[in-house]
Amino acid sequence: EAGVTQFPSHSVIEKGQTVTLRCDPISGHDNLYWYRRVMGKEIKFLLHFVKESKQDESGMPNNRFLAERTGGTYSTLKVQPAELEDSGVYFCASSQALGDALGYTFGSGTRLTVV
Amino acid sequence: GNSVTQMEGPVTLSEEAFLTINCTYTATGYPSLFWYVQYPGEGLQLLLKATKADDKGSNKGFEATYRKETTSFHLEKGSVQVSDSAVYFCALSVNTNAGKSTFGDGTTLTVKP
Repeated sequence: EAGVTQFPSHSVIEKGQTVTLRCDPISGHDNLYWYRRVMGKEIKFLLHFVKESKQDESGMPNNRFLAERTGGTYSTLKVQPAELEDSGVYFCASSQALGDALGYTFGSGTRLTVV
Repeated sequence: GNSVTQMEGPVTLSEEAFLTINCTYTATGYPSLFWYVQYPGEGLQLLLKATKADDKGSNKGFEATYRKETTSFHLEKGSVQVSDSAVYFCALSVNTNAGKSTFGDGTTLTVKP
């Protein structure tokens, strides 16, 4: 079974540019989550999709971040325009179960550096 | 709200040493508790979990016991190996949050031969 795939693995962009991160969850997983770890601190929740619907987007920092999951398969997270404080590692995870689930399956993350 | 506090790192140990990484939590509701590990260049992997008080999660020689009275979930291993070098994250999830997890800051462990 293929795991959760994220790309690119690394991205370096200038402040003000746009970047799109992609996540391919495990096939059949309805739940898809985005998290990020900024400056070596805790991993923070960004948002949660159930299929193509946004279940919870309470962690999205501001309206420069746009997440989509058209068709309920892969998801994209766009940052436009990027700011220096957006640098960090963006993780995607997927799961079948909700609630106090069995733990997610995470991707390797995308390391975003804004200069 | 929910929060997780982990022992600050980095932690450096010699091979075969005993490992403890402390984790305490606050939660609204009854949480499930997790330890995740991130090896260099890889994604987060679930290491172990516990879903109710006094449960012990274990995997790969690591153990953690869900202590409700002290709101703790400390990670232990009796004899670490170089291959255990990684970043370890303590996390919790409460049913009402529909799968959303709260993570600690992570603790970087380096094991030297």
